[in-house]
Amino acid sequence: DAGVTQSPTHLIKTRGQQVTLRCSPKSGHDTVSWYQQALGQGPQFIFQYYEEEERQRGNFPDRFSGHQFPNYSSELNVNALLLGDSALYLCASSQLAGGPTDEQFFGPGTRLTVL
Amino acid sequence: AQSVTQPDIHITVSEGASLELRCNYSYGATPYLFWYVQSPGQGLQLLLKYFSGDTLVQGIKGFEAEFKRSQSSFNLRKPSVHWSDAAEYFCAVGPNTNAGKSTFGDGTTLTVKP
Repeated sequence: DAGVTQSPTHLIKTRGQQVTLRCSPKSGHDTVSWYQQALGQGPQFIFQYYEEEERQRGNFPDRFSGHQFPNYSSELNVNALLLGDSALYLCASSQLAGGPTDEQFFGPGTRLTVL
Repeated sequence: AQSVTQPDIHITVSEGASLELRCNYSYGATPYLFWYVQSPGQGLQLLLKYFSGDTLVQGIKGFEAEFKRSQSSFNLRKPSVHWSDAAEYFCAVGPNTNAGKSTFGDGTTLTVKP
């Protein structure tokens, strides 16, 4: 079992550009959550996808959008990049049917740098 | 609104010494509490979690944590630290594990001296 995988590992973009990050969940998981972790801070919840729909959303602007595919993999898109979007973006997967105590498993993250 | 405070940004302990990392939370209902560890270049790994029942919970890698409702605290402990424990530790609170809307503290970086 490969666990949660994310691509790319690192990414450098310039202000105003758009970026797409990808996540493949752990085998058997159907729910994907995305987090932003700025340097020196804890992760902040962006949104969660289940059954190809956004299920919950944190306090992030509409520039942040996502998608979930039938195979449960997911993409995070960020438009009109700002310097402040530079961060480690973490993906976590879980099984919703596992109930409220089911554990989330995190991927290694994508490091985004905006110049 | 829920919040988590980890008062210690950085802690240094000698290998073999005991460890306690502090976590204080604010939450309007019965909280689900978590401790995660993050090594450089790695994602977060769950050390332990508390939902209900016994207020002393055991986790992986020899860690334990104690929930104290009266103090709104959930401190992480380990009796004897190993060099491999050097990492960043995050406390989090949320409505459950599966809802992504957990709130994380800003972390405590642990350095282990030989």
